[in-house]
Amino acid sequence: DSGVTQTPKHLITATGQRVTLRCSPRSGDLSVYWYQQSLDQGLQFLIQYYNGEERAKGNILERFSAQQFPDLHSELNLSSLELGDSALYFCASSPASEATEAFFGQGTRLTVV
Amino acid sequence: GESVGLHLPTLSVQEGDNSIINCAYSNSASDYFIWYKQESGKGPQFIIDIRSNMDKRQGQRVTVLLNKTVKHLSLQIAATQPGDSAVYFCAERARNTPLVFGKGTRLSVIA
Repeated sequence: DSGVTQTPKHLITATGQRVTLRCSPRSGDLSVYWYQQSLDQGLQFLIQYYNGEERAKGNILERFSAQQFPDLHSELNLSSLELGDSALYFCASSPASEATEAFFGQGTRLTVV
Repeated sequence: GESVGLHLPTLSVQEGDNSIINCAYSNSASDYFIWYKQESGKGPQFIIDIRSNMDKRQGQRVTVLLNKTVKHLSLQIAATQPGDSAVYFCAERARNTPLVFGKGTRLSVIA
């Protein structure tokens, strides 16, 4: 158990819909990272938050957004969903703003139908 | 599993043999590297890390070697066991940038 908790584990939704994925980092970790893992793209970095502030942005679509709350949990919002958004979404956390000792959650499998 | 379907290089080893998984990284500014193991249905699991001021680091049954000259990283697993079967990813990070992952290698242990 990495200590990073993601909910829900599975999500099935229709095209055009909006979903929210949730991540609770390890106790004491201030950074949260979101990654997307699809069958043909491997692990792609989406966005990082550190202590409530956006720290780095990767290949995140404009339809996607994220935030980190005062209690350090994070949510990834995916809207106007398309079939191609079907993937595993992982959250990772690390103690500092630098991506060292990053531990991953079990992921949320999103299926868009 | 989650990585099934990816066209990954595969390494097949006999149980008890040593495994060596290689990774070429691209960014000469990368100063920190991590190896992750991803089993079917699970998230990437931290195995071992190494900073760029080191050439070698050992853990329990695992050793990571870093060759900065040729931008090459390897993970050695001693006495490979069936439970080591998984997809292995290397990840690199330059200062103030997030972790960037390689494509992964599937390790298959033959009992």
